[in-house]
Amino acid sequence: QLQLQESGPGLVKPSETLSLTCTVSGGSISSSGYYWGWIRQTPGKGLEWIGSIHYSGSFYYNPSLKSRVTVPVDTSKNQFSLKLSSVTAADTAVYFCARHSGSYYEIISSWGQGRLVTVSS
Amino acid sequence: QSALTQPASVSGSPGQSITISCTGTSSDVGSYVLVSWYQQHPGKAPKLMIYEGSKRPSGVSNRFSGSKSGTTASLTISGLQAEDEADYYCCSYGGSTPFGVVFGGGTKLTVL
Repeated sequence: QLQLQESGPGLVKPSETLSLTCTVSGGSISSSGYYWGWIRQTPGKGLEWIGSIHYSGSFYYNPSLKSRVTVPVDTSKNQFSLKLSSVTAADTAVYFCARHSGSYYEIISSWGQGRLVTVSS
Repeated sequence: QSALTQPASVSGSPGQSITISCTGTSSDVGSYVLVSWYQQHPGKAPKLMIYEGSKRPSGVSNRFSGSKSGTTASLTISGLQAEDEADYYCCSYGGSTPFGVVFGGGTKLTVL
């Protein structure tokens, strides 16, 4: 059974870079037909798609976060990551890694358990 | 890509049916049958309940059904049970770019 697990610091200082890693088990990140991405959840803004990547390297980012986001993939480790730069308190959220499928990859068919990241000095 | 609009809360008694609406625009919900619905219990990750408007993943109860009319998608839960109490989110392909999803603000379902 496919499992996704987020890892990384739970506390990040303002203006620094938030870095999280998602480890995929029970399946290969190199499987065709899927994108792998990040979604965050805040009490105020609900669920927000951040960005997603295909094992081939093709990627898409939310236009509102595009200037600060990268989603690298490491197929040898069956992992992908999130790097969000210049963070502020508004980036405090639970960050989920996820697998996308469907015609436009609009189906989020698997989710990690989530990682709470707080931005504070 | 604007967020989809859902009611903040709905409620129903055990055994009853409820419907949660999700309103988008002609660019997203109105143009594609690509709406999915997620159930989220407190402290847990969302769980896929409906995809492509009305399809259920394996293992999801047939008490959950989805539909769409115009720019509004709907999730109906029949025969309400206590364990259905959760937050529900709709999600749609955004339509304006080759890739991207937009979510609804979420609806809190209370089983009375």
